[in-house]
Amino acid sequence: SQQGEEDPQALSIQEGENATMNCSYKTSINNLQWYRQNSGRGLVHLILIRSNEREKHSGRLRVTLDTSKKSSSLLITASRAADTASYFCATDGEGQNFVFGPGTRLSVLP
Amino acid sequence: DAGVIQSPRHEVTEMGQEVTLRCKPISGHDYLFWYRQTMMRGLELLIYFNNNVPIDDSGMPEDRFSAKMPNASFSTLKIQPSEPRDSAVYFCATSPSADTQYFGPGTRLTVL
Repeated sequence: SQQGEEDPQALSIQEGENATMNCSYKTSINNLQWYRQNSGRGLVHLILIRSNEREKHSGRLRVTLDTSKKSSSLLITASRAADTASYFCATDGEGQNFVFGPGTRLSVLP
Repeated sequence: DAGVIQSPRHEVTEMGQEVTLRCKPISGHDYLFWYRQTMMRGLELLIYFNNNVPIDDSGMPEDRFSAKMPNASFSTLKIQPSEPRDSAVYFCATSPSADTQYFGPGTRLTVL
C-alpha cells in the first residue's frame, strides 16, 4: 500500500491564490520530501523536512510536518501559472525506502 | 554538470524483445535509483545502489528485470523478455546522500 498519500488528487486555483496540498503517511519516517513534476519531465526536488522539524520555508514554499498525525502540508503562496504541475511527497523511514505518493495535480489559471 | 543523463529517451519494442535502459549519474553522487512511473501505480522504486552496490531490489517486479552498476559513471536496467505491461516511464535518479534526489528526464518505454 502507498506510504504517502497526497490530498487532494487535483486542485485548480487562480493565479495569485495560495495552494495547499497535504500528505499522509503510515509508518515512522526519517524525513519527508516534496517534489514537483511538470508534464513529461523528471521530478524536481523542492524541499526536505526531517522528522525532528516542524516547519520549513523555501521562497514561496512552506512545508509543515506533524509526526503525531503522520501528515505534512505544502503551501505555495501567490501561485503563478508556472506552478502548474504535479506535486509528490516522498517518505523515507522505517521499513520503507523512498516511497512516493500518487501526487496532487495543481492547475494555476491565469 | 549536465545532470542525470538517460538514454534512450523513447523506446518502442515488441513483446519478447530485450530492452536496455541506460543512466549516467551526476559525478560524485554515490546513490543511484531506478523508478518506474505509470498512471495506474504511480512512481515505484525498483532498485537503488550505493557506491555501485545494490542495496534494495525489493521493488524489482520479477526476474525479467535486472539492474547493474559496473562503475560510478554508468548503470543499466534491463528487461528480458519485455511484455506490454512493462510500458511505462523509467526514471533514474541520483543523490549525494540518499535524501535529496536528482531525476533524469526519463525513458518512455512502449512494448507492443
